[in-house]
Amino acid sequence: AQSVTQLGSHVSVSEGALVLLRCNYSSSVPPYLFWYVQYPNQGLQLLLKYTSAATLVKGINGFEAEFKKSETSFHLTKPSAHMSDAAEYFCAVKQGNSGYALNFGKGTSLLVTP
Amino acid sequence: DAGVTQSPTHLIKTRGQQVTLRCSPKSGHDTVSWYQQALGQGPQFIFQYYEEEERQRGNFPDRFSGHQFPNYSSELNVNALLLGDSALYLCASSQRDIQGSTEAFFGQGTRLTVV
Repeated sequence: AQSVTQLGSHVSVSEGALVLLRCNYSSSVPPYLFWYVQYPNQGLQLLLKYTSAATLVKGINGFEAEFKKSETSFHLTKPSAHMSDAAEYFCAVKQGNSGYALNFGKGTSLLVTP
Repeated sequence: DAGVTQSPTHLIKTRGQQVTLRCSPKSGHDTVSWYQQALGQGPQFIFQYYEEEERQRGNFPDRFSGHQFPNYSSELNVNALLLGDSALYLCASSQRDIQGSTEAFFGQGTRLTVV
């Protein structure tokens, strides 16, 4: 079964610093991968998705992620953190062809300090 | 575009009671999925509805049931509530996509507290 592991339940960066949130996947078939963000007391908002069209995926709010098959990774990055980026981030995988469920990681809480 | 709407936003129930949560999908979407998010955890898939039928189910007991109506809206029912059912319940809608690459749009959730 497909799954994702998010390394680091909490990440703290300074405003203006690089943001790197790690996600590794496990899937026996080519996966579809997603990053979602959740602000306090809110639902989930899609940041970006990988569907095999391109390995480097650009999303909203300046975020991007690179699919690396050799490393089974799909890490999320942003060159310069903003205070408004503080939130919970979830990586998710969906099995292609027959699976409809999103399997989420446990999430990474991003703290941005002034 | 109203997006995915869920009601109510908050709910408090007593152990053993039954609860119904409601979801209206984003305009143009025909598929609704339900997720349970416990505090500090990622969302867990409960089930998905398309054409008024349950198409896939996660690892949840049959106390959890659902329904989809002809207008694509959906309900999640939970019977015999347990304290452990306290969570944020998220509804997600999407267009039917056999390949599975279509993204899901989430509602704000219903916060259920069981006391």
